[in-house]
Amino acid sequence: AQSVSQHNHHVILSEAASLELGCNYSYGGTVNLFWYVQYPGQHLQLLLKYFSGDPLVKGIKGFEAEFIKSKFSFNLRKPSVQWSDTAEYFCAVNARSFQKLVFGTGTRLLVSP
Amino acid sequence: DVKVTQSSRYLVKRTGEKVFLECVQDMDHENMFWYRQDPGLGLRLIYFSYDVKMKEKGDIPEGYSVSREKKERFSLILESASTNQTSMYLCASNTPSSYEQYFGPGTRLTVT
Repeated sequence: AQSVSQHNHHVILSEAASLELGCNYSYGGTVNLFWYVQYPGQHLQLLLKYFSGDPLVKGIKGFEAEFIKSKFSFNLRKPSVQWSDTAEYFCAVNARSFQKLVFGTGTRLLVSP
Repeated sequence: DVKVTQSSRYLVKRTGEKVFLECVQDMDHENMFWYRQDPGLGLRLIYFSYDVKMKEKGDIPEGYSVSREKKERFSLILESASTNQTSMYLCASNTPSSYEQYFGPGTRLTVT
């Protein structure tokens, strides 16, 4: 069965600090990879996705993620966070042959001004 | 813009009540999903539907059922609500080829 691990449950950063959130998955076949974000009081929305091609993908609001197939990882990065990035971030994976998404447990990011 | 709407943002029900959560999407998506979101557990799939009247169990279907009579509408039913079903419930939809799921705003259900 597929599983997704997000090792950082809570992260606290000051504005302008760099961010990296880890995501590892377990599945041996071809996968699609996603990062979703949930801002306080808002619905879950897509930050970025990887299906194929360049393993470095860029998303909205200056976020990017790198797919490293050998490490089964899809880490999220942002060079300089803002207070408005305070949110919960979810990594998700689905195997190409299935419609279901498997989510990680989420990382709560708090950015202090 | 894809829009997924859920019938209530907040709901309070008593133990043993039958509860209906409604979800409507306006993009003609074939697939619809129900998740529950709990702190520290992320999102867990309860049920999904890949066509009208078709459904498949997710990872935690116990205590829940679903109904999809029309393509745009997917209902989650708690036959007899229990306190351990207090949670945030999220509905999502997509097309089979896109994989990306679009989420509704969620319904925070409290069972007392």
